[in-house]
Amino acid sequence: EPEVTQTPSHQVTQMGQEVILRCVPISNHLYFYWYRQILGQKVEFLVSFYNNEISEKSEIFDDQFSVERPDGSNFTLKIRSTKLEDSAMYFCASGRQGREKLFFGSGTQLSVL
Amino acid sequence: SQQGEEDPQALSIQEGENATMNCSYKTSINNLQWYRQNSGRGLVHLILIRSNEREKHSGRLRVTLDTSKKSSSLLITASRAADTASYFCATDRGTGGGNKLTFGTGTQLKVEL
Repeated sequence: EPEVTQTPSHQVTQMGQEVILRCVPISNHLYFYWYRQILGQKVEFLVSFYNNEISEKSEIFDDQFSVERPDGSNFTLKIRSTKLEDSAMYFCASGRQGREKLFFGSGTQLSVL
Repeated sequence: SQQGEEDPQALSIQEGENATMNCSYKTSINNLQWYRQNSGRGLVHLILIRSNEREKHSGRLRVTLDTSKKSSSLLITASRAADTASYFCATDRGTGGGNKLTFGTGTQLKVEL
């Protein structure tokens, strides 16, 4: 069964550094998402992406964050200058259509020291 | 206000018993989805119920939705040890074309042999 793949599975970085989290969504999907889960807290929506642009974003997704689909397969989340509170599990997800079920990747555990 | 609160927070049952988890939410929704998460892993979609539906079945899963009470329940029948996981409800309140899911706090289900 096709799946969403995320790399790396773990990322450790120093505060203030830039990180790029990578995702390969399912090939025929049109909608792409980033969610995050801080340890012990709820899964939170960050951003949705469709037709090469952001379709919706949360208050968390400030100017420090950006997303890109640089080619036909990859979908990336960039955090420009990481903060301690950015430490979380980041999940990429994709959907064939809007308002349908999402397929989640296994996540990237980001630790900001 | 909190959107998506599950109860109970934790549930422990014997294999073969049924497990019922509840979810309440506060605002109108497009659809409600249930996901499962094994420890440290990604989220797996279980079932989606639209706001104009009242009940849905998928294998051993039965989901109900009461929009007047803003609540949903997930029933897992004839539980198995492999059903041990955290279960989350997620409401789609997106105004764009994609899913903007708001996740609940989750129910940790433990099925004992």
